[in-house]
Amino acid sequence: AQRVTQPEKLLSVFKGAPVELKCNYSYSGSPELFWYVQYSRQRLQLLLRHISRESIKGFTADLNKGETSFHLKKPFAQEEDSAMYYCARRNFGNEKLTFGTGTRLTIIP
Amino acid sequence: GAGVSQSPSNKVTEKGKDVELRCDPISGHTALYWYRQRLGQGLEFLIYFQGNSAPDKSGLPSDRFSAERTGESVSTLTIQRTQQEDSAVYLCASSSGTSLGDTQYFGPGTRLTVL
Repeated sequence: AQRVTQPEKLLSVFKGAPVELKCNYSYSGSPELFWYVQYSRQRLQLLLRHISRESIKGFTADLNKGETSFHLKKPFAQEEDSAMYYCARRNFGNEKLTFGTGTRLTIIP
Repeated sequence: GAGVSQSPSNKVTEKGKDVELRCDPISGHTALYWYRQRLGQGLEFLIYFQGNSAPDKSGLPSDRFSAERTGESVSTLTIQRTQQEDSAVYLCASSSGTSLGDTQYFGPGTRLTVL
């Protein structure tokens, strides 16, 4: 079965400090990994996906197949980064997404 | 343009009643998804429609749950004889369906509370 694990329900970081949100996935098939974000009173939206290998809003995430991880990182946290973050996966050729339970990130001014 | 819309935004019902939740996808999007999010949990896939293909119903938790989609437009998720464990936020998403791995765009969700 496909599984996505986000071990931290809550994470608080001071403004300007580095951020790392952890995500591990079960090894099955050919996974594609995503990070989705939900800001307060807004709808869930795609932040980034591993195949794009891009930086969005200063965030990056590298797929580590050896550790089956896809941790989200940002070197300097900003107050507007406070939100709920979900890691998700799907197998290539299968459109449905499997989500983790999410991590609520709070940036302390 | 307009994003995915869902109605109602909130629904409170009594145990045993039937409910219908509606999703309007982005115009032109051929793929449509329903997910459920229970309190403190991640999103669970329920059902996926792609054009005129048979839907992928593998995520529906019981036969009380069903969904329909007319062509490439509106979809309705129906829950019959609601139970308290059906209380959740029901999210709809759509994607263009033109290639594998399209970005899914989410609606605001319907919060269902079963008393």
